[in-house]
Amino acid sequence: EAQVTQNPRYLITVTGKKLTVTCSQNMNHEYMSWYRQDPGLGLRQIYYSMNVEVTDKGDVPEGYKVSRKEKRNFPLILESPSPNQTSLYFCASTGVGLRQYFGPGTRLTVT
Amino acid sequence: GENVEQHPSTLSVQEGDSAVIKCTYSDSASNYFPWYKQELGKGPQLIIDIRSNVGEKKDQRIAVTLNKTAKHFSLHITETQPEDSAVYFCAATPGSNFNKFYFGSGTKLNVKP
Repeated sequence: EAQVTQNPRYLITVTGKKLTVTCSQNMNHEYMSWYRQDPGLGLRQIYYSMNVEVTDKGDVPEGYKVSRKEKRNFPLILESPSPNQTSLYFCASTGVGLRQYFGPGTRLTVT
Repeated sequence: GENVEQHPSTLSVQEGDSAVIKCTYSDSASNYFPWYKQELGKGPQLIIDIRSNVGEKKDQRIAVTLNKTAKHFSLHITETQPEDSAVYFCAATPGSNFNKFYFGSGTKLNVKP
């Protein structure tokens, strides 16, 4: 089954404690993205990757890092999380014709 | 960058009625306009999309129309059913960078049985 998986699904952490949210896709897509979803703001793109070792900033990259060492994986790293990064995060994989497939989401709370 | 505005933020209809959600965009060079449905606790799912060389596209009860001159596009759902209740998002990719996606703020559709 074609899918995008994210882990963990829920995470509560404290300010400043580094964390990583993993994302994996099994569709052999070159292009992947990370988004955050906040009430009233829709989804905002954090980072995207066009291929292995090729990443670029989206609209809201501050406070986040990404890496793309393998085609199937695209982890999101928060090196020093702050409360304003409390949000719902989605990973997406883009296939033919720019059609995006989203993961189930990771709800992050930073206290 | 691109600015996508979506209206209304909430929409309540009676089962069997039609629902229309509208979006406007700012970049006249944008050429890909997808619509997503997000059910509670799940990730957005692509339901229909349209490209700038097409004015309308239909898929069963769902249709999308695009007016390039006015820079707006709309989602039309006919014969609504309770399972259509969800949050719907529009999006656009700017002409300068097809790797970027800009989303509207979402419309919560409630279909009353």
